[in-house]
Amino acid sequence: KQEVTQIPAALSVPEGENLVLNCSFTDSAIYNLQWFRQDPGKGLTSLLLIQSSQREQTSGRLNASLDKSSGRSTLYIAASQPGDSATYLCAVHLLGYGQNFVFGPGTRLSVLP
Amino acid sequence: ETGVTQSPTHLIKTRGQQVTLRCSSQSGHNTVSWYQQALGQGPQFIFQYYREEENGRGNFPPRFSGLQFPNYSSELNVNALELDDSALYLCASSFLAGSYEQYFGPGTRLTVT
Repeated sequence: KQEVTQIPAALSVPEGENLVLNCSFTDSAIYNLQWFRQDPGKGLTSLLLIQSSQREQTSGRLNASLDKSSGRSTLYIAASQPGDSATYLCAVHLLGYGQNFVFGPGTRLSVLP
Repeated sequence: ETGVTQSPTHLIKTRGQQVTLRCSSQSGHNTVSWYQQALGQGPQFIFQYYREEENGRGNFPPRFSGLQFPNYSSELNVNALELDDSALYLCASSFLAGSYEQYFGPGTRLTVT
C-alpha cells in the first residue's frame, strides 16, 4: 500500500529565505507526482507535475525534483514571500484500476514579513 | 476555458440525512474524481468516474455513491450521514491520457451535526 509522508509538518521562515519541502513515498511504481498548494478552507492549486521519467520541473521561483528509486521528491521555493504562506501537498499518481492520487498530509508554511 | 466548479460551497446536515454534492468538470476532461479531506489531513480518494462508469474506488463504504453525466458533470451522494463525514469534499477532473494531471475545484464544506 502506497504511503506518502511530508517533512516538516510546519515551517515558519522570514521573508526572502530559500526553503525546501520534502515528500517521501513507499512504492516507486508511480506514474507521476504532483505538488499542490492549498489556502485555508480552499481547493487545491496545481503547482508542478513531474512525470515518472523526469527528474525535475521548474516554474518561476519553484523547482520540484523527483528521485523514484529513493522514493523522494523535494519542492524548492526561492526568495519566499508572505504570499507563499499556505499548505503544500504532494501527491503520487497511481495507475491501475482507478487512476487516483495518494496525498501526503501536507506542510504548513508561514512566511513572515 | 472554464475551470472545475462545485456546488454548494457550504452545507450543514443532520446525522442520518442524505446529501448530494455537485461538480462540473473542466472543459475537455472526461474523468472526474472525488476526494474527502478531513481537517488537517491530506485528501483521501473516494472514487473516480470515466465515461459514466466507476473506474476506481478508495476505502469508502457503499453509502458513498456517485454519478457522472454525459456532459462529464458529476454528483457525489452520501446516505445515512455520520458525524465523521464532516469534511471538505473535493472534485478533480482530468483527461484519461497523457499526463493525467488533475485539476481541482474549490470544494464543498460539509458539516454534519
